[in-house]
Amino acid sequence: QQQVKQSPQSLIVQKGGISIINCAYENTAFDYFPWYQQFPGKGPALLIAIRPDVSEKKEGRFTISFNKSAKQFSLHIMDSQPGDSATYFCAAISNFGNEKLTFGTGTRLTIIP
Amino acid sequence: DGGITQSPKYLFRKEGQNVTLSCEQNLNHDAMYWYRQDPGQGLRLIYYSQIVNDFQKGDIAEGYSVSREKKESFPLTVTSAQKNPTAFYLCASSMNGNSGANVLTFGAGSRLTVL
Repeated sequence: QQQVKQSPQSLIVQKGGISIINCAYENTAFDYFPWYQQFPGKGPALLIAIRPDVSEKKEGRFTISFNKSAKQFSLHIMDSQPGDSATYFCAAISNFGNEKLTFGTGTRLTIIP
Repeated sequence: DGGITQSPKYLFRKEGQNVTLSCEQNLNHDAMYWYRQDPGQGLRLIYYSQIVNDFQKGDIAEGYSVSREKKESFPLTVTSAQKNPTAFYLCASSMNGNSGANVLTFGAGSRLTVL
């Protein structure tokens, strides 16, 4: 019940296209959903996050869409650029206090010219 | 600048040797974590500590040990009992409390290679 399932495992998108990464969860106690971006040889960095009381959050070219009834959320990268090539992890955490993040398995995104 | 410092960035070890990876944070975070990442794999939790002088095993603690004597420091020792220690090791920290506070800040990682 603690799992977060992420797909696809890898994704190749042409420059200027839309990259879409999907995550699904089972635990209805999860109430905060961050996305992390990791470049090769670096630690992951927080990219964007959402709470389930909103259906969408946008920051620049990055948008999280959230479907509470389906227990799914996704990351959309508009106008994808070669600099967006990285591994992306979705995650989730509950509000019980002092809980740990549950990570998805990651998506390796490659943007080709 | 506030952040997490991991050292060394690259480390080579002979089989049978213990090695210790350093992790220091100046974010005044209560909780600290160690993750292991293998090529093309996700993040697996080794150990975590939510308060000084206390720590708990994560999903893959066998062959590893930690200490938390100071709030700022959470060193990880990879012992000779760890059968396949070659990996990228990530240290992270967070505040304790409600969900938004528990979002992790990561260090830059340490890459351990066993020769």
